[in-house]
This record gives sequence, structure tokens and C-alpha cells, in this order.
Amino acid sequence: SYELSQSLSVSVALGQTARITCGGNNIGTKDVHWYVQRPGQAPVLVIYKNTNRPSGTPERFSASNSGNTATLTISRAQGGDEADYYCQVWGNAPVFGGGTKLTVL
Amino acid sequence: EAQLVESGGGLVQPGGSLRLSCAASGITVSSNYMTWVRQAPGKGLEWVSVLYGDGRSYYANSVKGRFSTSRDNSKNTLYLQMNSLTAEDTAVYYCARRVDTDSTCWFDSWGQGTLVSVSS
Repeated sequence: SYELSQSLSVSVALGQTARITCGGNNIGTKDVHWYVQRPGQAPVLVIYKNTNRPSGTPERFSASNSGNTATLTISRAQGGDEADYYCQVWGNAPVFGGGTKLTVL
Repeated sequence: EAQLVESGGGLVQPGGSLRLSCAASGITVSSNYMTWVRQAPGKGLEWVSVLYGDGRSYYANSVKGRFSTSRDNSKNTLYLQMNSLTAEDTAVYYCARRVDTDSTCWFDSWGQGTLVSVSS
């Protein structure tokens, strides 16, 4: 089955740019979706099909996908962005990455 | 806007059974791909099952043969029947709507989750 790998944690200074990566074999050939899960809350979709933002996702959130790595970029990081972030693809079934904890310093 | 509200979680002994419910509003369960996703304590997300509008259902290998998903159209509610539970099934169970295209799928609406604890 297809596997996704994410760094356990990423730190970013307040107001700076955070980049969260999701690795997979030729992931650039797949559509990648991103979710944010704030402490004690349910996941929320923030990016679908690599680059699309659902209504409600701030423009500070963007994403890209190429080669073996997909990247979620959060510009002008805020304290409220502290959360776990998960990537997801279709690999004969929905597959999630292990999640990355973003800390805003 | 879709609203999904899970219920039915609780403490159950190993080998026991439990039925979770997901009451939907703002969407029609029978017209959507409805799924269950779980999250073990301190762990990541794991897809569990999907129920298609035509009644077909599919399951993760980890629950196949033990879990079954169904719906009550009159109540606009999705269910997850869980049998032969083990400690490894301990998790928060989320109901979510799945959006499918030709080549992919994603989950655009989630409930708040219900906790299932399997322990003696």
C-alpha cells in the first residue's frame, strides 16, 4: 500500500513562513489534500487537489506538489496556526500521512 | 453547510460490540459518500470505512469482517457497527463526507468525533 511520510514537528517564528512536507514515491503524480487539526478538535480540510483552498481557508495557506514531495506553506504564521497537519492521497484507499506538529515560536 | 454529529462511543470490554451513530444535517447521507475515520490516542488519522449512495461499502483491512456501516435514510443517519473489539480499536471515531473525483478523494466535512475505549 502507498505510504506517506511527514516530519514529526516543524517550528516557525511568529510572522514567518512555515513549510510542512509530505513525502511519497512519485507523489507528484497524485492529488494531495491537506488537513489541519487544532488541539482537541476534528480535522478540517485546508487544501484539496494539491493547490485548491476551500472557502474559509486563508490565502496565507498554499501548497505545491512535485516529484516525491508535496509541501504545505503557511505564510505570516500566527499563534492560531499551531496544530497538527496531515496530508492525504488516494492509494487504492484513502491514505494519511502521520501528521506534523507545527509550533509557532 | 454540512453538520455531522457522532454519538454512541464509550467504554467496552474486549470482544464486545458497539454501534456508533452520525446524524447529518445540511446534506443527505444517502446521496453522499459517507465515511468513518478514526484516530487512536496520540496517533494519526486512519480511514475505516465508506458507504456509497448505491449501498456498496468498503473497509480498511484492519476492521474488515468485524465492522459494518449502514444508514437510515429516514433519520439521515450513518451507523458503524463494531464487533469483536480489541484494544487496538480504541480511538476517536469521526464521521466525514468524502468527495470523489475520477482519480482521488478527500474529506470536506467532519463531525466532532466520539471516543471508543476498549478495555477490561
